Amino acid sequence: GAVVSQHPSRVICKSGTSVKIECRSLDFQATTMFWYRQFPKQSLMLMATSNEGSKATYEQGVEKDKFLINHASLTLSTLTVTSAHPEDSSFYICSANPRVVFNGYTFGSGTRLTVV
Amino acid sequence: GQNIDQPTEMTATEGAIVQINCTYQTSGFNGLFWYQQHAGEAPTFLSYNVLDGLEEKGRFSSFLSRSKGYSYLLLKELQMKDSASYLCAVRAPANQAGTALIFGKGTTLSVSS
Repeated sequence: GAVVSQHPSRVICKSGTSVKIECRSLDFQATTMFWYRQFPKQSLMLMATSNEGSKATYEQGVEKDKFLINHASLTLSTLTVTSAHPEDSSFYICSANPRVVFNGYTFGSGTRLTVV
Repeated sequence: GQNIDQPTEMTATEGAIVQINCTYQTSGFNGLFWYQQHAGEAPTFLSYNVLDGLEEKGRFSSFLSRSKGYSYLLLKELQMKDSASYLCAVRAPANQAGTALIFGKGTTLSVSS
């Protein structure tokens, strides 16, 4: 149980285009989801907290107009990277807490974004 | 602010025991987590400590001292498949479901035969 499904797993896009990444909680309701970014050989950096039915909370230094987050239902959060540039190439990963504390927070499988 | 420190790299041999330390200075504390991450994959949950002491789970154990802002992950009977990054993460207080984990930079463990 407590599975988070993330799609796509890999995407290559041209500079200037937008990319949407979806994160679904399959067997639990997630009023909150978390979006992280991970550059090669670095740790996970929290980008934003996605809240169902309200605006996302962005971490300092993360452009909310560039990284659009929508959390329209209790099981789906989306991250759209708008006007992507090569420096946005990274591993994006979502997470949620299914409140089963001994199983910890559950992570999606991640999306490898390459902007060319 | 949040500051979580762990060694960048560690090496060990098969069958050995390795201890990965983590120190933290955070504005509030509501639990410390350890995750394992293989390259290009999602992190997988290893352990959770919220009270002082040792939590044992098979070959993995995790220790917490809240007064010292210190934790360690102990891996016993190392196997080649244990070669991975180990991430220490702290959760701030408040709504447990709504509070993100803040991660340290991770420790890359290399296990050799």
